[in-house]
Amino acid sequence: GESVGLHLPTLSVQEGDNSIINCAYSNSASDYFIWYKQESGKGPQFIIDIRSNMDKRQGQRVTVLLNKTVKHLSLQIAATQPGDSAVYFCAETSNNNAGNMLTFGGGTRLMVKP
Amino acid sequence: AAGVIQSPRHLIKEKRETATLKCYPIPRHDTVYWYQQGPGQDPQFLISFYEKMQSDKGSIPDRFSAQQFSDYHSELNMSSLELGDSALYFCASRLDRYTEAFFGQGTRLTVV
Repeated sequence: GESVGLHLPTLSVQEGDNSIINCAYSNSASDYFIWYKQESGKGPQFIIDIRSNMDKRQGQRVTVLLNKTVKHLSLQIAATQPGDSAVYFCAETSNNNAGNMLTFGGGTRLMVKP
Repeated sequence: AAGVIQSPRHLIKEKRETATLKCYPIPRHDTVYWYQQGPGQDPQFLISFYEKMQSDKGSIPDRFSAQQFSDYHSELNMSSLELGDSALYFCASRLDRYTEAFFGQGTRLTVV
């Protein structure tokens, strides 16, 4: 079961509907972004990525939109399925450090109702 | 395809004990990351290595240390364990800065 103190934003959608999960970032030097899906007790899994020279990228049933002006990233899932239920995180890499630090943003729990 | 391997998967330790977590990155990946994830929280970056040298440091307590060895595997050493150290610890590896980081299945550490 869920732990006390769980405060993840939750998005509840009906099976078959489209889902939109949002992420804001603050570092204007961030130039590469990744969306991860994490199921309970498992490691984050890659969904889709986008570089800062693009504003849209599409995958299978997923689309990522990047708005650098307002530092906003979104993940759109088409025809959401029960298997999409998980926590979704955005992550970013910036070009203002010598390493390849990957920083995670706040997660969103997606719940799909059958 | 080879994935990131972490061991052990589960670990129970008592307060003030020491723990060592191991990570075996994907071959040819030159960057290794360690993250700590508490219940319902985002993965918090602890430390990373690039070509076996420490490259970035996040919110890693002084009680923790990590290193990457010549065979590229990495170990996270945790001493004087506290109840608050109970969490999932993930290791990830990456080929370069413009590719995704691949995560292991994590080590669940419980401090009692």
